[in-house]
Amino acid sequence: GNSVTQMEGPVTLSEEAFLTINCTYTATGYPSLFWYVQYPGEGLQLLLKATKADDKGSNKGFEATYRKETTSFHLEKGSVQVSDSAVYFCALSDGGSNYKLTFGKGTLLTVNP
Amino acid sequence: DTAVSQTPKYLVTQMGNDKSIKCEQNLGHDTMYWYKQDSKKFLKIMFSYNNKELIINETVPNRFSPKSPDKAHLNLHINSLELGDSAVYFCASSQDGGQGNTIYFGEGSWLTVV
Repeated sequence: GNSVTQMEGPVTLSEEAFLTINCTYTATGYPSLFWYVQYPGEGLQLLLKATKADDKGSNKGFEATYRKETTSFHLEKGSVQVSDSAVYFCALSDGGSNYKLTFGKGTLLTVNP
Repeated sequence: DTAVSQTPKYLVTQMGNDKSIKCEQNLGHDTMYWYKQDSKKFLKIMFSYNNKELIINETVPNRFSPKSPDKAHLNLHINSLELGDSAVYFCASSQDGGQGNTIYFGEGSWLTVV
């Protein structure tokens, strides 16, 4: 079956540090890949997505590239801010269908001033 | 305007009770979902509906019954609540079930069973 593996958290960084959150996946076919973010006490918001190999998703300074050869979709940001503190989820959709979005376990990021 | 809204946001209830969580989306989407987030933040799909038709029922106990009166609403009814049902329940929607479509989530309903 499909699965998503994220780096274990929590991750604690100082403001303006470089962020990488690793995500690898196992899937049949050619899934679409997503990063969602959950701020404290809120629901999930789409951060970025990529629907085919070599696509790069980007939003709010975050980037992730769909790497089919390494089955990865690592999230990066060059300079984090305190406001980026949240839980980040990597996810994939079944090849051909979005009816079942499979999530990783989430990575808690805390950014200190 | 809230795209996906669910009520109530917080619910504390006793074991054995029956409760419902309501969800509405004003995005004109065809597909709606219920996800459960446990205490470790792990998210797992429970149900998905497309145009009021059940597409996925992911090994959820029979005590959980989704109801979709129209494609803009997907309510979740839970019978005989158990302690293990304590979680955050997220409603969500997407344009359709097509791969790559963005899924929009509600703000969650925090259910505590005591």
